[in-house]
Amino acid sequence: DAGVIQSPRHEVTEMGQEVTLRCKPISGHDYLFWYRQTMMRGLELLIYFNNNVPIDDSGMPEDRFSAKMPNASFSTLKIQPSEPRDSAVYFCASSKQGAKQPQHFGDGTRLSIL
Amino acid sequence: DAKTTQPPSMDCAEGRAANLPCNHSTISGNEYVYWYRQIHSQGPQYIIHGLKNNETNEMASLIITEDRKSSTLILPHATLRDTAVYYCIVPKLGSNYKLTFGKGTLLTVNP
Repeated sequence: DAGVIQSPRHEVTEMGQEVTLRCKPISGHDYLFWYRQTMMRGLELLIYFNNNVPIDDSGMPEDRFSAKMPNASFSTLKIQPSEPRDSAVYFCASSKQGAKQPQHFGDGTRLSIL
Repeated sequence: DAKTTQPPSMDCAEGRAANLPCNHSTISGNEYVYWYRQIHSQGPQYIIHGLKNNETNEMASLIITEDRKSSTLILPHATLRDTAVYYCIVPKLGSNYKLTFGKGTLLTVNP
């Protein structure tokens, strides 16, 4: 089975530019999560969706960050404008319905803002 | 989430059992213990979870003490590919979807 697919794997851009990260969850999964990982802060949950609806975005750092899930097979995380401190690895994960269901992670997007 | 405490690092010889401890003394009665791991440059990978009984799957075994204040993840025959950071997570009841990853334990399996 195909796992969670993220694109691009690497992104390097200059500060001030718009950045869009993409995620395709595992088919049949009802939950989608966006995480960010840095050396300083570790792995943090940014936002998660259930059936394409955002449930909790309390981890989104600021208004420059936005996430959408237009359908069950696609989600985006957008940063506009980007800043050097946004440099991190961003992971997407998905899970089935059910509180005890494990989350399946993609391989992440390594983002560098110059 | 219930606070978890893990040693920052451990070593294990290849082929031997790796026993990774986790303290979660503030765990509530119905909160589950989850274990994930993260191999370098990859996303976290689910390993196992449990409530009060010992659990085993194809990857590992989870031993939870009777008072539930600590647990041990056991990799029965560690290989070099098991070198990773292992995270013990106890999500807050009712917020099982919100996983809080601490610093975990870096397990290094040596040849």
